[in-house]
Amino acid sequence: ETGVTQTPRHLVMGMTNKKSLKCEQHLGHNAMYWYKQSAKKPLELMFVYSLEERVENNSVPSRFSPECPNSSHLFLHLHTLQPEDSALYLCASSLDVQGTQPQHFGDGTRLSIL
Amino acid sequence: SQQGEEDPQALSIQEGENATMNCSYKTSINNLQWYRQNSGRGLVHLILIRSNEREKHSGRLRVTLDTSKKSSSLLITASRAADTASYFCATALSGSARQLTFGSGTQLTVLP
Repeated sequence: ETGVTQTPRHLVMGMTNKKSLKCEQHLGHNAMYWYKQSAKKPLELMFVYSLEERVENNSVPSRFSPECPNSSHLFLHLHTLQPEDSALYLCASSLDVQGTQPQHFGDGTRLSIL
Repeated sequence: SQQGEEDPQALSIQEGENATMNCSYKTSINNLQWYRQNSGRGLVHLILIRSNEREKHSGRLRVTLDTSKKSSSLLITASRAADTASYFCATALSGSARQLTFGSGTQLTVLP
């Protein structure tokens, strides 16, 4: 039990589908993150939220749309994805966004785009 | 180019041996963190070392930081098969520590 739960664990979707990834943390953390992990590449930070406010958006295509309704939940809405978007999507949380605290990760959603 | 890069990319050792992984980075940091990732799982935080620290220990793990050389090492002593995983270093930059920048990782295999 990592304290950060991601659902679903696996997702297969066509390029025209719309789906959402969900992340939930019960650690009392104020910061939440979405990362993309592709084979043989470093983790790519996609979005950062601090107290439900987006504070970073690292040039992510608009087909990825994050939502943070409260400090415990984070969503990543997906639409018209491309085959190169197939990857492991990891959610993480930390006490704050200052980078001075460890991040706690979920086990990810393995996304496959057909 | 990447802020943090691990070396070697892959390491295979026998159970009981020590494993050493290195991380180099390019710009001044606030802290450096090491994470482990087992296959099919998320990353697990191991150790955080701040820029004013030189060495930290946690159980069988020993991390060193040399800010003059912009490098860090992770030593796992008396390795076990369960230590088989990918190990990543992540740096939080000075002055703008909002994000961690991860390296590509070292794949460690401990043979029984």
